[in-house]
Amino acid sequence: ETGVTQSPTHLIKTRGQQVTLRCSSQSGHNTVSWYQQALGQGPQFIFQYYREEENGRGNFPPRFSGLQFPNYSSELNVNALELDDSALYLCASSLGTGGYIQYFGAGTRLSVL
Amino acid sequence: QKEVEQNSGPLSVPEGAIASLNCTYSDRGSQSFFWYRQYSGKSPELIMSIYSNGDKEDGRFTAQLNKASQYVSLLIRDSQPSDSATYLCAVLRVSSGGGADGLTFGKGTHLIIQP
Repeated sequence: ETGVTQSPTHLIKTRGQQVTLRCSSQSGHNTVSWYQQALGQGPQFIFQYYREEENGRGNFPPRFSGLQFPNYSSELNVNALELDDSALYLCASSLGTGGYIQYFGAGTRLSVL
Repeated sequence: QKEVEQNSGPLSVPEGAIASLNCTYSDRGSQSFFWYRQYSGKSPELIMSIYSNGDKEDGRFTAQLNKASQYVSLLIRDSQPSDSATYLCAVLRVSSGGGADGLTFGKGTHLIIQP
């Protein structure tokens, strides 16, 4: 167990809807990164939050947005869902940015119909 | 375009033998290197991290890094059926501006340990 918790574990949405995924970081960790993992692929970096600010972003459109709260928990919001958004969404927390090890939560499986 | 390449496998190894997993990366600015293990339907679990050239050993696992050749490898000694999983190679390049680039992952190598 990494101490990183994600909710919900599974979610089914229809195209065009909006979704919010949640992540609680490991105690003492101030950095949260989000990844999307499509079936048969490696995780793809979406963005990272450090001390409540977006600290870096991968190649994802603006309809992917996030928040980090004072307790360092985080949300990932996806608007206007598309079929290709179906994936495992992973949250990882770390002690800081840079080379710190990222510990992953169990993930949220999102299906878009 | 930053890329991390792995042979997707499956790589089949007899129980008790050494499993050798390889990874190459394209970004010479990469500074931190990680191996994660992922069981089917589960999230990635850290196996090893390595930051400097050479070997790093932890139990049955040895990570090897060669920055000049831009490759990272993972050796698993005395392979067990429970080692059967997908192994993901990940690299991190710390942005010069202080922002995060995030981990760049390969697609993973599917390892099967045959009893």
